[in-house]
Amino acid sequence: DADVTQTPRNRITKTGKRIMLECSQTKGHDRMYWYRQDPGLGLRLIYYSFDVKDINKGEISDGYSVSRQAQAKFSLSLESAIPNQTALYFCATSDPGTGQQETQYFGPGTRLLVL
Amino acid sequence: RKEVEQDPGPFNVPEGATVAFNCTYSNSASQSFFWYRQDCRKEPKLLMSVYSSGNEDGRFTAQLNRASQYISLLIRDSKLSDSATYLCVVNIGYGGSQGNLIFGKGTKLSVKP
Repeated sequence: DADVTQTPRNRITKTGKRIMLECSQTKGHDRMYWYRQDPGLGLRLIYYSFDVKDINKGEISDGYSVSRQAQAKFSLSLESAIPNQTALYFCATSDPGTGQQETQYFGPGTRLLVL
Repeated sequence: RKEVEQDPGPFNVPEGATVAFNCTYSNSASQSFFWYRQDCRKEPKLLMSVYSSGNEDGRFTAQLNRASQYISLLIRDSKLSDSATYLCVVNIGYGGSQGNLIFGKGTKLSVKP
């Protein structure tokens, strides 16, 4: 089984709808992240959480919210989806105990299309 | 100046070729450096960390030049399976709120038979 899972894997929604993307991990990592990837723009950080009680905005948090329900679960919400939120969304985890070589492990991604 | 810059490519090379990718970063306080690989429509995966002394993993060699703020990846004897996008990644801090990764946009490699 995959260590980092994301649901759904693909989603089509309409402008104005509220949607939630979910991420679960079995790696036991404290740190979790949400990114979006757009063609030509690379990966951009939306939100990150260093533990259950810690939530931080990333580079592009506007229009998004997150919830860290447990160490293993980190969900991303689009309260009112808009077409420019069409993108590939990745969840990632990391273990700060590995020091400066802290590596991020990514989920398989959720492909979101907002019509 | 963007924080992490890479040549987007694509690099089209024949099997067996040697290919080199370069990356520059703008934050001189950057602490650690990585190359990730991303296959089409898949998630990024760590290829290798980059150490100051340079490091090698099979056909892959990574080098870091802190003075020039420059990172490189050399792939020798390219295989068809090396076709992917290679992401240069920099950690701008260590621990706390600065312990996040900055990703380059990636360099696309296509290895042809």
